[in-house]
Amino acid sequence: AQSVTQLDSQVPVFEEAPVELRCNYSSSVSVYLFWYVQYPNQGLQLLLKYLSGSTLVKGINGFEAEFNKSQTSFHLRKPSVHISDTAEYFCAVSDRDGGFKTIFGAGTRLFVKA
Amino acid sequence: ETGVTQSPTHLIKTRGQQVTLRCSSQSGHNTVSWYQQALGQGPQFIFQYYREEENGRGNFPPRFSGLQFPNYSSELNVNALELDDSALYLCASSLGSREETQYFGPGTRLLVL
Repeated sequence: AQSVTQLDSQVPVFEEAPVELRCNYSSSVSVYLFWYVQYPNQGLQLLLKYLSGSTLVKGINGFEAEFNKSQTSFHLRKPSVHISDTAEYFCAVSDRDGGFKTIFGAGTRLFVKA
Repeated sequence: ETGVTQSPTHLIKTRGQQVTLRCSSQSGHNTVSWYQQALGQGPQFIFQYYREEENGRGNFPPRFSGLQFPNYSSELNVNALELDDSALYLCASSLGSREETQYFGPGTRLLVL
């Protein structure tokens, strides 16, 4: 069975500082990996996804993530955060063969302080 | 291009009642998935509909049921509501059942009293 662990429930950071949100997954099969962002009272917006190929994936809003198969990790990074990046971030995995079921982590709340 | 829309935005029900939530998928998308997001948690997969047939189901009881219509819009029905059903219900559409990218609607927030 697949599972996703987001190692930090909350990450406070000052504006313009770098940030890393950690995600580990477990799966017995090849997977697709995703990061979503959720602003208050809104649905989920896709930040980036890893399907295959280059392990460094660039997404919207200056975010990037690196797929590490040996460590089963998919950490999200941004070199310089803005106040507007304050939101909930979800890591997710789906089975390449299963297709229909996406498993989400519990989320990491990023709080950017002025 | 219209994105995924959901209605209503908010809903209050009492225990034992039934509720129907609605989702209009993005233009051209034939697959809709439903998720339950309890407060402070990540979304949990309820089920997926592909071309009007249920295509997969998560660990939810049978009182959670759904429909998909010929225009690919969808309904989530929950019978015999329980307090723990209070959550944000999200629907997501995609181009196909094996299409990895899903587009989420804003959700319906359900409160069961």
